[in-house]
Amino acid sequence: NAGVTQTPKFQVLKTGQSMTLQCAQDMNHEYMSWYRQDPGMGLRLIHYSVGAGITDQGEVPNGYNVSRSTTEDFPLRLLSAAPSQTSVYFCASRLTGGNNQPQHFGDGTRLSIL
Amino acid sequence: GNSVTQMEGPVTLSEEAFLTINCTYTATGYPSLFWYVQYPGEGLQLLLKATKADDKGSNKGFEATYRKETTSFHLEKGSVQVSDSAVYFCALSSPTNTGNQFYFGTGTSLTVIP
Repeated sequence: NAGVTQTPKFQVLKTGQSMTLQCAQDMNHEYMSWYRQDPGMGLRLIHYSVGAGITDQGEVPNGYNVSRSTTEDFPLRLLSAAPSQTSVYFCASRLTGGNNQPQHFGDGTRLSIL
Repeated sequence: GNSVTQMEGPVTLSEEAFLTINCTYTATGYPSLFWYVQYPGEGLQLLLKATKADDKGSNKGFEATYRKETTSFHLEKGSVQVSDSAVYFCALSSPTNTGNQFYFGTGTSLTVIP
């Protein structure tokens, strides 16, 4: 019953450093997405993917890259971390084929940029 | 466009009180509607959903009815418990030209005191 697994759970970076947030799901979901959660702003979509080899930008993509080489994995890369990227990051997945499919979320990665 | 508006928090209730969290939406087409709950330090969990007008979603004593005429999906519970303390998110899933996208409200924090 793993569902959506995110690693690491916590991370502190210095400005300018790079890192990759990992996300894996074992439900064979085609659709995967990354959100950031900031106080008072709800969840904002960063990038999403409708299947292996296909990615697209969401509402706030700047400063982040993604790739989708397998159905299971959808890593999020910060190329040069900035303090404005301090946030809680959530990965989610769901089945496609109709808008009645709920999203399943990981437990999040809490990222601080100093 | 698509958007979700939910009542501002925080909300503080005594145990066994009646809960209502208001949610209204704007959507093109025929969206599905969801309530998610987020406990401290965790990801979002699906609480309930409704996929068409007049549907009632229910789970763990919570209910919400999809009201197309008022574009609303208010969350209710007759008697809250301390364990219901969490942040609640209203969301919709609506077709777009790139597939179905989720739109979240900003969340409502609920604290239940004994």
